Amino acid sequence: GAVVSQHPSWVICKSGTSVKIECRSLDFQATTMFWYRQFPKQSLMLMATSNEGSKATYEQGVEKDKFLINHASLTLSTLTVTSAHPEDSSFYICSASTRVLAGVNEQFFGPGTRLTVL
Amino acid sequence: QKEVEQNSGPLSVPEGAIASLNCTYSDRVSQSFFWYRQYSGKSPELIMSIYSNGDKEDGRFTAQLNKASQYVSLLIRDSQPSDSATYLCAVYSGGYQKVTFGTGTKLQVIP
Repeated sequence: GAVVSQHPSWVICKSGTSVKIECRSLDFQATTMFWYRQFPKQSLMLMATSNEGSKATYEQGVEKDKFLINHASLTLSTLTVTSAHPEDSSFYICSASTRVLAGVNEQFFGPGTRLTVL
Repeated sequence: QKEVEQNSGPLSVPEGAIASLNCTYSDRVSQSFFWYRQYSGKSPELIMSIYSNGDKEDGRFTAQLNKASQYVSLLIRDSQPSDSATYLCAVYSGGYQKVTFGTGTKLQVIP
């Protein structure tokens, strides 16, 4: 149980384009989903927290107009990187959490999406 | 002071030995503690969660929590080369109302 998928697993795009990443909880309902970014040899950096049906809460320094998050259902959240630039190239990872299935605040991670902006 | 601190390593242990990974945290009202394993280029995988003081064992893994000392550790018995990865400590803090990850400790198990 507690499987989280992400799509796509990798994407290459041109500078200035937008990229959408999907995160799905496959066998449970995720009350909360998280989006992280990880640069090579660095730690996970939380970008935003999203609860189903409400606006995402962004961490300090993360531009909400650039990184659009939608959490329309208990099994799907999307992250759209708008007007991507080479410095946005990174490993984007989502995680999902539910109190009912996983206990208090356990997070289950998707496999990640590697974004390369040319 | 960082919210969650870990030694970055690398920690090198011979195959079959016990690997001991440590983590300290700053928020005294922290409630939940987690250890994740991350292989290079992959996303984190939950290994253990612990909520109360003492030891919790799961197979070759033992998590130890000491809330008075604000310290949580992970012991890996009979270490295997496949255990070589970065181990992330994560803490849910009631004060900050969120889960904070440490920077991780890189473990190398030498055959």
